[in-house]
Amino acid sequence: DAGVIQSPRHEVTEMGQEVTLRCKPISGHNSLFWYRQTMMRGLELLIYFNNNVPIDDSGMPEDRFSAKMPNASFSTLKIQPSEPRDSAVYFCASSLAALAGAGTGELFFGEGSRLTVL
Amino acid sequence: AQKVTQAQTEISVVEKEDVTLDCVYETRDTTYYLFWYKQPPSGELVFLIRRNSFDEQNEISGRYSWNFQKSTSSFNFTITASQVVDSAVYFCALSGKGGSEKLVFGKGTKLTVNP
Repeated sequence: DAGVIQSPRHEVTEMGQEVTLRCKPISGHNSLFWYRQTMMRGLELLIYFNNNVPIDDSGMPEDRFSAKMPNASFSTLKIQPSEPRDSAVYFCASSLAALAGAGTGELFFGEGSRLTVL
Repeated sequence: AQKVTQAQTEISVVEKEDVTLDCVYETRDTTYYLFWYKQPPSGELVFLIRRNSFDEQNEISGRYSWNFQKSTSSFNFTITASQVVDSAVYFCALSGKGGSEKLVFGKGTKLTVNP
């Protein structure tokens, strides 16, 4: 079975450019998470969706960041305009949450998208 | 607020040594879940274990074992007879009662196992 698929794996861009990261969760999973990993701050949750609805976006750094989940099989994280401090590895993860909210708890992570903003 | 502390930033051992990675957590939830993830040099995050707050039994899986103690808010991870392939960054994480809601990660412990 395919795992969480992220693209691109690597992105190098210049400051001010728009960056779009993509994620395809595991089929059947109803929760999707975007995390950012940096040396200084470790793994930070940016936003998570349940049944395609954003539940908590309190980790989104600022208005330059936006995330969408138009359907159960696709999500995007967009940064516009990008800045050098956005350089990080961005992970997408998915999980299966039961209706009562007591899911298995296991997040399945993609391989990450390494973003470098010059 | 939930918080996970992994005080050991880096650990270096020689193959076949036992090593324990410490994890201390803070939460006000009465129901919560604790996790360990492994991040090898290739970068992906690999799930190792989940433990809920009502299950304090220690768990053993091959060379891996976990010690959960609510009294000290700790969830430590021991690798017995370490191998070079165990070299990775290990993350402890905590989530609220939902179990699959947002995970709060510790900063990670980088383990290097030398031959």
